[in-house]
Amino acid sequence: SQQGEEDPQALSIQEGENATMNCSYKTSINNLQWYRQNSGRGLVHLILIRSNEREKHSGRLRVTLDTSKKSSSLLITASRAADTASYFCATDGETSGSRLTFGEGTQLTVNP
Amino acid sequence: EAGVAQSPRYKIIEKRQSVAFWCNPISGHATLYWYQQILGQGPKLLIQFQNNGVVDDSQLPKDRFSAERLKGVDSTLKIQPAKLEDSAVYLCASSQSLSGSSDTQYFGPGTRLTVL
Repeated sequence: SQQGEEDPQALSIQEGENATMNCSYKTSINNLQWYRQNSGRGLVHLILIRSNEREKHSGRLRVTLDTSKKSSSLLITASRAADTASYFCATDGETSGSRLTFGEGTQLTVNP
Repeated sequence: EAGVAQSPRYKIIEKRQSVAFWCNPISGHATLYWYQQILGQGPKLLIQFQNNGVVDDSQLPKDRFSAERLKGVDSTLKIQPAKLEDSAVYLCASSQSLSGSSDTQYFGPGTRLTVL
C-alpha cells in the first residue's frame, strides 16, 4: 500500500499564483522527498527534507515537514505554465529500510 | 552527464507473451531501481540492486517477474508470462551512493507497456 497520500489530487491555478500541495504518511520516516513528473516522462527530484528538519527552500520551492502530524507540504511560489506536472512525495522509513514509497501524486495545472 | 537510458520506450504485447526491458544507469552509480507505475498512481518499487547484488525484491512478483544486473552496470527486467494487469510504465532509476534511500534518485524516461 502507498505510504504517502497527496492532497489535493488535482489543482488548477493561474500563472503567478502560489500552489500548495500536501502529503500525509503513516509510519515514522527518515527522509521525505518531493519529485515532479511531466507527462510521459520520468520523475525529477526536487528536494529532500530529513526527519529532523522542519523547513527547506530551493528557489521557488518551500517544503515543510511536521513529524508530529506526519505531514509535509510543498509550496511553489509565483507559478509558471512550465510547472504543470504531477508532484509526488516519497518517504523512506524505519520499517521500510531504504525503500522509497511514493504517494498517489497531485496533478498541478498552471494556466497561462 | 548522460542520464538514465531505457529501452524500448513503448511496447505492446498480448497476454501470456514475454517482454524484457533494458536500463543503463548513470555511469558510476552503484544503486539501481526498477519501479512499476500504473496509470494514475505513484511508482512502486519492484527491485533494488547495489552493484550486482539484490538489496530489496520484496515487492517483485517473482512467479512472473525477474531482473538481473550483471557486472553491476546495465540491468534487464523481464516479465514472463505477461498479464493484463502488468500494463504500466516501468521506470528505472539510479543513485550514486550505497546508502540508497537518502540519496537523490535519477529516473529514466520509462517504458510504457500495454498488455492486450
